[in-house]
Amino acid sequence: AQSVTQPDIHITVSEGASLELRCNYSYGATPYLFWYVQSPGQGLQLLLKYFSGDTLVQGIKGFEAEFKRSQSSFNLRKPSVHWSDAAEYFCAVLDLYNNNDMRFGAGTRLTVKP
Amino acid sequence: EPEVTQTPSHQVTQMGQEVILRCVPISNHLYFYWYRQILGQKVEFLVSFYNNEISEKSEIFDDQFSVERPDGSNFTLKIRSTKLEDSAMYFCASRLAGGSHEQYFGPGTRLTVT
Repeated sequence: AQSVTQPDIHITVSEGASLELRCNYSYGATPYLFWYVQSPGQGLQLLLKYFSGDTLVQGIKGFEAEFKRSQSSFNLRKPSVHWSDAAEYFCAVLDLYNNNDMRFGAGTRLTVKP
Repeated sequence: EPEVTQTPSHQVTQMGQEVILRCVPISNHLYFYWYRQILGQKVEFLVSFYNNEISEKSEIFDDQFSVERPDGSNFTLKIRSTKLEDSAMYFCASRLAGGSHEQYFGPGTRLTVT
């Protein structure tokens, strides 16, 4: 079955520090990959997506992610974290073999220290 | 920019009662989805809907659940007899046919069963 793994349940970084959130996927073909952010009590906001082409994708709020087929990874990065980035981050893969439903990872909660 | 809307934002109901969660997908979208997120857990696929019928459903989507597109704009999720464990955030999503496969998520309805 197609799946997404986010190995880190909780990450704490200092404001201004760099950030990398890990995501690994299990998928038979070229995956369609997404990163969503969810602030407490809020819905899902799309940060960025990868369908094909350039493996380094830029998103909103200064985030980027790099698709690495050899490592089955799609890690999210930001060079300098802001306090407002504190939220839950979800990686997801679009399962084209099952009518396009999204398979989400368990999420990584980001805490930003002042 | 068009967006998916959901009502109500928060629904409180007693165990055993029926609830209907409403979604208005983006107007030219043809595929519709419901997802669930139990507090502190990952987002889980419930059901997909296309051409006025269910395309796929997960094991969570048992006989207590049903979906309907009663008119040209609304997409509803009904829970026939709510249980405590149905308490969760419910997200609706929609997408175009073919093309980018990107699903657009609504802000969610928080369902609390007491």
